[in-house]
Amino acid sequence: GAGVSQSPSNKVTEKGKDVELRCDPISGHTALYWYRQSLGQGLEFLIYFQGNSAPDKSGLPSDRFSAERTGGSVSTLTIQRTQQEDSAVYLCASSLERRVLYFGPGTRLLVL
Amino acid sequence: QQQVKQSPQSLIVQKGGISIINCAYENTAFDYFPWYQQFPGKGPALLIAIRPDVSEKKEGRFTISFNKSAKQFSLHIMDSQPGDSATYFCAAREAGTALIFGKGTTLSVSS
Repeated sequence: GAGVSQSPSNKVTEKGKDVELRCDPISGHTALYWYRQSLGQGLEFLIYFQGNSAPDKSGLPSDRFSAERTGGSVSTLTIQRTQQEDSAVYLCASSLERRVLYFGPGTRLLVL
Repeated sequence: QQQVKQSPQSLIVQKGGISIINCAYENTAFDYFPWYQQFPGKGPALLIAIRPDVSEKKEGRFTISFNKSAKQFSLHIMDSQPGDSATYFCAAREAGTALIFGKGTTLSVSS
């Protein structure tokens, strides 16, 4: 079946603009995660959804970052007033009952 | 505070050699330790995982060794091949929380 998909695959934006990143998880997967991958920093946890609720949003780096999930499926990560340090690859993953994480290919964000 | 410390940052191994990547952790509540493999332009994918009640798990050429008392675990890749060239991440999870990843090791297998 189809894997996790993310859009856009690449995004270039100007400092101060808002961006929305989309994640389509594997159908039926109840858990959804957002991670950020910066050069040399590994995979940084941002937020976790179980269904439509977010029991753990401890990794969101500032109040400029927010995420939502609707219908227990699609999720959107929004970054307001982007800064250059937000440049990274944003990875989404989904899982069934929080076991194996299946990652999407990521959205490469570049803030100029 | 880095909860999972991974080393080395990069590794070059000759074809047919053994690749060894190490991870250390502090949180004794961690109960699940996976390794993920990532190829350029792709998302990470689960390679192999272990729980702390066993000391070793082997799947093909890939083995996890787990030392609970030392709070360390390692990935061994036997007979390393050029196709194994990728970035490897160790991770750990406490029940009810998200996976915490190490910073990754870039492996290059020379032919």
